[in-house]
Amino acid sequence: DADVTQTPRNRITKTGKRIMLECSQTKGHDRMYWYRQDPGLGLRLIYYSFDVKDINKGEISDGYSVSRQAQAKFSLSLESAIPNQTALYFCATSDTRTGTIPNEQFFGPGTRLTVL
Amino acid sequence: QKEVEQDPGPLSVPEGAIVSLNCTYSNSAFQYFMWYRQYSRKGPELLMYTYSSGNKEDGRFTAQVDKSSKYISLFIRDSQPSDSATYLCAMSANSGGSNYKLTFGKGTLLTVNP
Repeated sequence: DADVTQTPRNRITKTGKRIMLECSQTKGHDRMYWYRQDPGLGLRLIYYSFDVKDINKGEISDGYSVSRQAQAKFSLSLESAIPNQTALYFCATSDTRTGTIPNEQFFGPGTRLTVL
Repeated sequence: QKEVEQDPGPLSVPEGAIVSLNCTYSNSAFQYFMWYRQYSRKGPELLMYTYSSGNKEDGRFTAQVDKSSKYISLFIRDSQPSDSATYLCAMSANSGGSNYKLTFGKGTLLTVNP
C-alpha cells in the first residue's frame, strides 16, 4: 500500500540538542506538510512544501527548519530543542492531480517527541 | 476570534446513541469542509468531505454545512465503541495554488461506551 512513514516514532532528547524527524511517502504526491499537535491546541502547521524547490513557512515555524531532499522525502529539524517543543509531530501529503478530493491530506503515524 | 472553533469535549455516550459534533468558522471564503477521524496513537484520516453547503451521507455518518450560519456538523447514528476517537473538522478556501491552506479545529474526543 502507498503510505506515509515517519521515523523515529518516539524520541526523548535533552534541551539544546539538534534533532531531525524524517518523513517518506510512496504515494507519489507532490505536496508535503509538517504539523505539531498539542493537547488543547489542535494541529498547527509548521512548514509545507509544494515541490522540491518550493518550501513555505506555516503558522509556527520559529525554532524549526525543513529540507525537501526529494519529492518523496521531507525532513523537519529542531536546531536546538527546547521543552516547549515537546509534542506529537505529523507529516502529511496531498496531491494536486485532478480527480482526487481537493485538499485531502494523508497523515503519517506521528512522532512523539519529548524534550527534557 | 479563531478562524475555526470546535468544542474539545470530551464527549461520552452510550452505544447506539446519536452523536452530534460541530464546528463554527469565521472565514466566509471557506468552501471545502472535511471531517477527519483520529484514533489514539494514529494520524488523522479523512472521514467525510463536503463542498459548499448541503448534506452528505455515508452509512451511519452525515455531514452538514450551513454556510449562512458558518456552521458545520457531523452526525453519527447508532454509534459504536469503534467510533471512539478524536474528530477534527477542517476547512479551506481554495482547491490549490500558492494560497492553499487547510485550517483545522482543535478536535473533539468522543468515547462510545458499550
